[in-house]
Amino acid sequence: EAQVTQNPRYLITVTGKKLTVTCSQNMNHEYMSWYRQDPGLGLRQIYYSMNVEVTDKGDVPEGYKVSRKEKRNFPLILESPSPNQTSLYFCASSPIPLLADLLEQYFGPGTRLTVT
Amino acid sequence: DAKTTQPPSMDCAEGRAANLPCNHSTISGNEYVYWYRQIHSQGPQYIIHGLKNNETNEMASLIITEDRKSSTLILPHATLRDTAVYYCIVRVAVDMRFGAGTRLTVKP
Repeated sequence: EAQVTQNPRYLITVTGKKLTVTCSQNMNHEYMSWYRQDPGLGLRQIYYSMNVEVTDKGDVPEGYKVSRKEKRNFPLILESPSPNQTSLYFCASSPIPLLADLLEQYFGPGTRLTVT
Repeated sequence: DAKTTQPPSMDCAEGRAANLPCNHSTISGNEYVYWYRQIHSQGPQYIIHGLKNNETNEMASLIITEDRKSSTLILPHATLRDTAVYYCIVRVAVDMRFGAGTRLTVKP
């Protein structure tokens, strides 16, 4: 089954304790992205990657790191989490076709992170 | 990406058509109109997209005005499971920006 998986789905942690949220897709997609969703602010892009070893900042990259060593994996790293990073996080992937048509993004189930 | 404007919320009776409008008056000629929805706190789900012509698939229909400055997503027979936030996005690149969307509530 084609899917994007995220782990963990739920995480409660304390300020300053490094954590990694994993994201994996089995569709051989070039493009992967991380979003955070907060009440009243909608979905905001954190980082994205157009291919292996190619990453770029989205709208809200501060406090986050990513890596793309393999095509299928795109982990999100919080080196020193703070309470303002409490949020619902989504990973997404998409192929990059030659034409702009059908740029459908597939989203993971989400990771609910609470930083105390 | 062109900015979109959607009503914050709408109600629809179960079994009736739900018509969700979107204004995108600054859309450029090569930007597509995409619709996604998000049910509760699940990941957003692709619904439909189009450039100029009206489109239909098993989930919905998309009507784009001739000047492309607005569009309407139509769910022909809304069910309770269609209650969700619906996002209208215009884009040309693989990158995507979500707005606040329209919260559609389907009522029995």
